[in-house]
Amino acid sequence: DAKTTQPNSMESNEEEPVHLPCNHSTISGTDYIHWYRQLPSQGPEYVIHGLTSNVNNRMASLAIAEDRKSSTLILHRATLRDAAVYYCILSSGAGSYQLTFGKGTKLSVIP
Amino acid sequence: EPEVTQTPSHQVTQMGQEVILRCVPISNHLYFYWYRQILGQKVEFLVSFYNNEISEKSEIFDDQFSVERPDGSNFTLKIRSTKLEDSAMYFCASSRQVLSYNEQFFGPGTRLTVL
Repeated sequence: DAKTTQPNSMESNEEEPVHLPCNHSTISGTDYIHWYRQLPSQGPEYVIHGLTSNVNNRMASLAIAEDRKSSTLILHRATLRDAAVYYCILSSGAGSYQLTFGKGTKLSVIP
Repeated sequence: EPEVTQTPSHQVTQMGQEVILRCVPISNHLYFYWYRQILGQKVEFLVSFYNNEISEKSEIFDDQFSVERPDGSNFTLKIRSTKLEDSAMYFCASSRQVLSYNEQFFGPGTRLTVL
């Protein structure tokens, strides 16, 4: 399975943008890049996904490097509610739809 | 907004007892999953279920575990003889389609404590 590497933790000030990096140098051409987050004492929550092009939705933006070996989740304006563990996950398809969670990045938001 | 629900929120049981964890996936979803998270550790995949049969299972999902969709709405995880190491949060998830990029919707989890 293609693996991802994320920083263990990051801090952001409230109302500032946050850029959460993820490296996935062994990504294959058919791997989708997913981001999920887990708020304290809750189940994981889908944030965004992409394949090659940058993506935007109401929660965040996903910037994908041209060679697809890295990506960045962008929260445009961090709020206290965004404090969570953020997971960057690759899905390989090929009949396997399980999500393989790593340790993720624990984001702290400072008021 | 539709959501995945799970009951109970907390289950305490004695070692060796059987437990059934229940989930109601989102109504038009076709693919169902169970994951678990031991306190302080990663979320781990257990099993996926589609068209009334198991599609994939992990090494954790041994003969002590089983899943069932007994009716059109519920999806259950049974642990036949619980062990101390089964203590964890158990998350149910569902997705609408069988696609590699398909969003999975997670429930709030059931905390299982085995004494």
